[in-house]
Amino acid sequence: EAQVTQNPRYLITVTGKKLTVTCSQNMNHEYMSWYRQDPGLGLRQIYYSMNVEVTDKGDVPEGYKVSRKEKRNFPLILESPSPNQTSLYFCASSFLTSGGDTQYFGPGTRLTVL
Amino acid sequence: DAKTTQPTSMDCAEGRAANLPCNHSTISGNEYVYWYRQIHSQGPQYIIHGLKNNETNEMASLIITEDRKSSTLILPHATLRDTAVYYCIVGTGNQFYFGTGTSLTVIP
Repeated sequence: EAQVTQNPRYLITVTGKKLTVTCSQNMNHEYMSWYRQDPGLGLRQIYYSMNVEVTDKGDVPEGYKVSRKEKRNFPLILESPSPNQTSLYFCASSFLTSGGDTQYFGPGTRLTVL
Repeated sequence: DAKTTQPTSMDCAEGRAANLPCNHSTISGNEYVYWYRQIHSQGPQYIIHGLKNNETNEMASLIITEDRKSSTLILPHATLRDTAVYYCIVGTGNQFYFGTGTSLTVIP
């Protein structure tokens, strides 16, 4: 089954404790991205990647890092989490396209930073 | 800056057609119109997309005006499971700006 998986689905942590949220897709997609969703703000893009070793900032990259060492994986790293990073996070993937293709989203990771 | 404008919320009676409008007056010639929906806090789900022509699939129909400045998503027979936030997105390639969408409530 074609899917995007994220782990963990729920995480409660404390300020400053490094964490990684994993994202994996099995569709051989070149493009992967991370979004965060906060009440009243919709989904905002954090980082994206157009292929292995190619990453770029989205709209809200501060406090986050990513890496793309393999095509199927795109982990999101919070080196020193802060309470304002409490949010619902989504990973997405798609084929690289000039338009007309669909993005597939993971189930989400709900992060709470105390 | 928002590329699309949608009503904040709408209601629809179960079994009736739900018509969700979207304005995208600054759309450029190579930008597509996409519709996604999000049920509760699940990952957004693709519904339909189009460039110029009207489109229909098993989930919905997409009507794009001739000047492409607005579009309407039509769910022909809304069910309670269609209650969700619907996002209208315009763009090319892979970069999406989601906005805050329309919260559709289907009423029994």
